[in-house]
Amino acid sequence: QQQVKQSPQSLIVQKGGISIINCAYENTAFDYFPWYQQFPGKGPALLIAIRPDVSEKKEGRFTISFNKSAKQFSLHIMDSQPGDSATYFCAASIPGTYKYIFGTGTRLKVLA
Amino acid sequence: DSGVTQTPKHLITATGQRVTLRCSPRSGDLSVYWYQQSLDQGLQFLIQYYNGEERAKGNILERFSAQQFPDLHSELNLSSLELGDSALYFCASSVVGRRYTFGSGTRLTVV
Repeated sequence: QQQVKQSPQSLIVQKGGISIINCAYENTAFDYFPWYQQFPGKGPALLIAIRPDVSEKKEGRFTISFNKSAKQFSLHIMDSQPGDSATYFCAASIPGTYKYIFGTGTRLKVLA
Repeated sequence: DSGVTQTPKHLITATGQRVTLRCSPRSGDLSVYWYQQSLDQGLQFLIQYYNGEERAKGNILERFSAQQFPDLHSELNLSSLELGDSALYFCASSVVGRRYTFGSGTRLTVV
């Protein structure tokens, strides 16, 4: 119940295309869902986050879509660029704790 | 530079040995978190400290321990090392709440 399942494991997208990464969870107590971006040799960096009372959040080319009834959320990267090539992690957090349960990551490669 | 400093960047040691990983949080951040990232798994939460006190514990092995010092830096001690302990160890810090910043990690290789 504490797991966050992420798919796909890897993704190849053409430049200008849309990258979509999906996550699913079971624990309805989760109340905060961030996405992290990690480049090789670096730590994860917060990209965008959403709370379950919102169905969509957009920041630039990055959008989180949240489906509370399905217990799923996804990251959409519009107009994907080679510089977006990185590993993306979804995560979830329980109120009153400051620890995250992370998905297993998606390695995105955007072809020039 | 995220502002969270981890040393060393790389560490190679033999099985059975003990190592200490160090983390200096961003200026003003009171909370420090340690995560382990193995090849086949995502980031696994190990432990959290807030202003010197342990606040939360994850699946941290008994061979592992941590502390946060008065100057807020933290150390993660790993003892009786096994091959399976080879991983990236990340430290993150935050002022309050869940918007935290990760360091660049320490890559531990146990041979």
